Amino acid sequence: AQTVTQSQPEMSVQEAETVTLSCTYDTSESDYYLFWYKQPPSRQMILVIRQEAYKQQNATENRFSVNFQKAAKSFSLKISDSQLGDAAMYFCAYRGNYGQNFVFGPGTRLSVLP
Amino acid sequence: DSGVTQTPKHLITATGQRVTLRCSPRSGDLSVYWYQQSLDQGLQFLIQYYNGEERAKGNILERFSAQQFPDLHSELNLSSLELGDSALYFCASGGAGWADTQYFGPGTRLTVL
Repeated sequence: AQTVTQSQPEMSVQEAETVTLSCTYDTSESDYYLFWYKQPPSRQMILVIRQEAYKQQNATENRFSVNFQKAAKSFSLKISDSQLGDAAMYFCAYRGNYGQNFVFGPGTRLSVLP
Repeated sequence: DSGVTQTPKHLITATGQRVTLRCSPRSGDLSVYWYQQSLDQGLQFLIQYYNGEERAKGNILERFSAQQFPDLHSELNLSSLELGDSALYFCASGGAGWADTQYFGPGTRLTVL
């Protein structure tokens, strides 16, 4: 079965600085999708960024970018110019190409310090 | 506001009881997903429906069932409730693709006493 690991339960970053959240996963599939979701204190789940495994180019969405290393099964999220509103729980998630498996990591709680 | 609505917001019930959670997807979305978020098990995918048909199944217990109706709203039925079923239950809606963006509702907080 697929698993997703986030080895950093908590992280903090100074406002305007850059932070990287780690995610590794285990799968035997060759085609799949990876996601980062943000859950602020409101508990709403918000999609931050997604990556298709067959695409070599790393996904980017404004201040958010990923470092996707398929061979290493690593999918880290970089947040540049951190803002107070970025403080939240961040979940890494995996979905198989046929959609049967949708697995979330345990989450990383990010604090942004003014 | 994601456009996904969930009712009720909070639900308190007793062990052994049965409850129904309701979700209305965003206008135009044909897929509905259900998730459970608890302190000890994190966020778990339960089940997905697409245009009324079950499309994908995750870690959904046999005591739980779901359906999607012709008007595309969905209901999650939880029966023979146990203390461990206390959790936040999310519904999300999206398109047909496996990687389509999912829009999450605000969740239903279920407390089993």
